[in-house]
Amino acid sequence: GAVVSQHPSWVICKSGTSVKIECRSLDFQATTMFWYRQFPKQSLMLMATSNEGSKATYEQGVEKDKFLINHASLTLSTLTVTSAHPEDSSFYICSATRGNRGTGTDTQYFGPGTRLTVL
Amino acid sequence: AQSVTQPDIHITVSEGASLELRCNYSYGATPYLFWYVQSPGQGLQLLLKYFSGDTLVQGIKGFEAEFKRSQSSFNLRKPSVHWSDAAEYFCAVGARILTGGGNKLTFGTGTQLKVEL
Repeated sequence: GAVVSQHPSWVICKSGTSVKIECRSLDFQATTMFWYRQFPKQSLMLMATSNEGSKATYEQGVEKDKFLINHASLTLSTLTVTSAHPEDSSFYICSATRGNRGTGTDTQYFGPGTRLTVL
Repeated sequence: AQSVTQPDIHITVSEGASLELRCNYSYGATPYLFWYVQSPGQGLQLLLKYFSGDTLVQGIKGFEAEFKRSQSSFNLRKPSVHWSDAAEYFCAVGARILTGGGNKLTFGTGTQLKVEL
């Protein structure tokens, strides 16, 4: 159990276009979903936290107008990279938590990631 | 703000040898600590976690970690490494989110483990 999927697994787009990445919790309802960005040979950087039905909370330095997050249901969150540029090329990873709501002891289950390349 | 340091970027061990990956954290309160493993093409997989209680935590795949508050460390160990353990290992500290549940993770920079046959 606790499987998180991402779609697509990789995407190549032209500069100026928008790209949508989906994150789904397949066998559980996710109280909270997270979006991370990982640069080559570097750690994961938290971009934003989202709860179903409410606005996402963005980390300092992350442009909320460029990285639109929609948490439409307890099993789906989407990240849209708007007007993508080459510097947005990266590996985007989502995670989801379930249960123990509010206790802070939730485990995050991670998706396999999406490789975005902007030409 | 919390932070995590993994001092070893790369580690190479022989198959069958013991392994210890170092992790030091900085956090103002009692930390939630995690070790994840990342293999190419796969999502991060949780190896083990520490929230409270026994400071020696057992995880999956034969891994264990020991929380040492006095040293602000949470080192990962395995007595005998298998070739399939070659991967990137991340230590993380979690800060509780007050609304909506869960905790925000801050990751270390990772340690790439290579296993020699």
